[in-house]
Amino acid sequence: DAGVIQSPRHEVTEMGQEVTLRCKPISGHNSLFWYRQTMMRGLELLIYFNNNVPIDDSGMPEDRFSAKMPNASFSTLKIQPSEPRDSAVYFCASSSSVRRETQYFGPGTRLLVL
Amino acid sequence: AQSVTQLDSHVSVSEGTPVLLRCNYSSSYSPSLFWYVQHPNKGLQLLLKYTSAATLVKGINGFEAEFKKSETSFHLTKPSAHMSDAAEYFCVVIIEGSGNTGKLIFGQGTTLQVKP
Repeated sequence: DAGVIQSPRHEVTEMGQEVTLRCKPISGHNSLFWYRQTMMRGLELLIYFNNNVPIDDSGMPEDRFSAKMPNASFSTLKIQPSEPRDSAVYFCASSSSVRRETQYFGPGTRLLVL
Repeated sequence: AQSVTQLDSHVSVSEGTPVLLRCNYSSSYSPSLFWYVQHPNKGLQLLLKYTSAATLVKGINGFEAEFKKSETSFHLTKPSAHMSDAAEYFCVVIIEGSGNTGKLIFGQGTTLQVKP
């Protein structure tokens, strides 16, 4: 199994631009999580899906952030418009419904907004 | 509300010496607790988990942790550090609710440095 796949691995963009991060969970996993990691705030859960349905988006910082999961093998996290304070590493993780606490993390997308 | 506090932001040990990474938790329920490890420029990996079975939990790479309810602690230990253990370690508690939500609360992390 290839594990959780995220793309791009690195993204540099200018303030105001739209950014789309992509995630492919492990096949057979039906829970998917988006996290953000910064030095100041550590690891924060942004949103999670179960069976492609968003269950809890209380961690999404503001309306500029949106996430979708159109099918079991693909999810996106979009920031529009991006701001410098969005610079962080964004991780996607997936798990089975039986063992949601055991989450498998992707390598992350390192985002820099200038 | 559940939370975890990692007592040390940075721990430095010599190769071959014991490792102790400290974590205290706060929970109204009997908590499920975990340790995750993050190697440089990598995603997080589950080291071990405690889910109300044996209080001494063994994980991968020779790590283990002991759940102590009286001390509200879940410290991570390893008898002998290896250079490859150098990484960031996160103590994690799961938010309990109706069913297993999978919502994890991460501590601030402890950076483990291993000196030759």
